[in-house]
Amino acid sequence: EVQLVQSGAEVKKPGESLKISCKGSGYSFTSYWIGWVRQMPGKGLEWMGIIYPGDSDTRYSPSFQGQVTISADKSISTAYLQWSSLKASDTAMYYCARRGYEGYELDYWGQGTLVTVSS
Amino acid sequence: QSALTQPASVSGSPGQSITISCTGTSSDVGSYNLVSWYQQHPGKAPKLMIYEGSKRPSGVSNRFSGSKSGNTASLTISGLQAEDEADYYCCSYAGSSPWVFGGGTKLTVL
Repeated sequence: EVQLVQSGAEVKKPGESLKISCKGSGYSFTSYWIGWVRQMPGKGLEWMGIIYPGDSDTRYSPSFQGQVTISADKSISTAYLQWSSLKASDTAMYYCARRGYEGYELDYWGQGTLVTVSS
Repeated sequence: QSALTQPASVSGSPGQSITISCTGTSSDVGSYNLVSWYQQHPGKAPKLMIYEGSKRPSGVSNRFSGSKSGNTASLTISGLQAEDEADYYCCSYAGSSPWVFGGGTKLTVL
């Protein structure tokens, strides 16, 4: 069974750093792209970026380029999303999702990680 | 890159059919047959319902169907059921970016 399990909720202060994770299981982790999607409170889905764990090829949405860093450790089948200096506006639910093998759909999703940034 | 345009809300009665539109541009929806649709219930992660415009993943009811005409994709749900009440998002491949989502549509089953 394909599963993406994300790390737990985080409460941080503005200016702090953060790295959240997404662990894949039940499939060949290095053969599928993993994307990250933001959902701000009461708002829609926004595509942030995507990584191919096989070779760490990474693409970012122009809106998130330079704001976050996406990485992966294929040895432990885990993808990451990190911030070096959080802002209150980073408060949101963050989902990881697997891209279909030969397609462009996001076929399996993690349960989401809620990040709250507040002073 | 601008989000795809969806109606904020649609509604229908049980047993009826509804259609949700998703309008993009010639750079995304119009150029590729790579629109996907996601269902999201409150407090839950999105779920893939349609991919490549009209294909259904295994396990998704055949009451859900997708189509495209020009720069507009559509999701049709037939035989509406109470459990279909959710938010629905379209998403299109957009080349170099490479994905763009719609703003989402809240479906209410009356």
